[in-house]
Parts: sequence; structure tokens; C-alpha cells
Amino acid sequence: DVKVTQSSRYLVKRTGEKVFLECVQDMDHENMFWYRQDPGLGLRLIYFSYDVKMKEKGDIPEGYSVSREKKERFSLILESASTNQTSMYLCASSFSGTKDNEQFFGPGTRLTVL
Amino acid sequence: AQSVTQLGSHVSVSEGALVLLRCNYSSSVPPYLFWYVQYPNQGLQLLLKYTTGATLVKGINGFEAEFKKSETSFHLTKPSAHMSDAAEYFCAVIPYGNNRLAFGKGNQVVVIP
Repeated sequence: DVKVTQSSRYLVKRTGEKVFLECVQDMDHENMFWYRQDPGLGLRLIYFSYDVKMKEKGDIPEGYSVSREKKERFSLILESASTNQTSMYLCASSFSGTKDNEQFFGPGTRLTVL
Repeated sequence: AQSVTQLGSHVSVSEGALVLLRCNYSSSVPPYLFWYVQYPNQGLQLLLKYTTGATLVKGINGFEAEFKKSETSFHLTKPSAHMSDAAEYFCAVIPYGNNRLAFGKGNQVVVIP
């Protein structure tokens, strides 16, 4: 089975802190994604990566950056956390070789910024 | 850009009754279609997907969905709701040749005993 893990299930940070959210997948997937989930808004794509060191902005990249130094790991960085970044963050990965590009999701990190 | 519409953010259904969640999409090219379920405090789990072939797709936990190209719809059904079906359900679309999922806003399903 595909496994996508996220470094923390719950995280509490203070305004202005630098925050790292880590995601690791074990199925050699080329594509990795970061979403945030908010009530009534569904899932919104922050950034994605289709290869090591490659990244593309999603729909809401402002206030975020990403890093992909190894194929299995994709990090989301909040340079200076703000209260409006309190949310659930979901990581996903997919294999480029399949025609439907099904995405597999991690358990999520619920981030609270005080 | 593709968009996905799910009406009714909260859906209440009696235990044993039909579950029907509607999904309509807009896509300029033939899409691949997905339904995901999210149980409390968990990530998303794939319920079912349509790629090609038979338009009626069966998934896990007794759910099924039918792709209707003429109606640009992919509605999810289950004949008899169970208490364990209480969760949030998301419809998602990937146009052919793309790798970005577009999600609907989700339906929070409550099952009434």
C-alpha cells in the first residue's frame, strides 16, 4: 500500500515563527502536493512538485514556500506564520505513469497559529 | 480551468435511507473523476474513481457513482446509510493530460439514527 506520512498531526506555533511541515511518501511517486483545508472552502492547492528541485505554484501560494531536495520528501515552509494560516494541511503524492494520476493523501497536520 | 460543484455543505440522512451526493463539473476535455471520503481527524481516502469504460463505478463500503457525460455529473449513491458513513465527502476532477486535482467544497454527511 502507498504510504504518505506527515511529520506532525497537531502543531501549535506563535505568530512570526518559521514553520516546517514535512511529508514523506514511500512509493517512488514523481508528483507531490500540498493543500490546505478550511471549512466550507474544500481543499485548495498551495504548491506542487513534479520532480526533485522542481516546484509550481498552486492556487494560494502567498505566504508559503516549498522544498523538494529528495524524491520522497516534500516540505512546506511558512516563513513567518500568521493567524490566518491556522488550518489543516494535507500532503498528497501521485505517480506520473498512470493515466488518471490518482493522488494518495497523508493524515494531515492541524496547525494552530496563536 | 475546471471547477467542481457540490451542493449542500451539510447533508442529513436517516440510517437505512438512500445517500445521494451530487457532483457536477466543468471541463473542456474529458476528465477523470474521483470521490474521496474523510473521516474525522483523518486524511482523504479514495472511495471510487472513473477513468474510462463502464460509466457506473463501484467503490468501497457499498458506494457507487455514475458518470453522465451529457449532464457533466458524477453523483455518488449508497442504497442504505450506515452510522459509519458519517464523514465528509469530496468530489474531484482531473482533466485528461493534467496532474492537478480540482476539488468540490465537500459534503458533510450526518447519519440520524
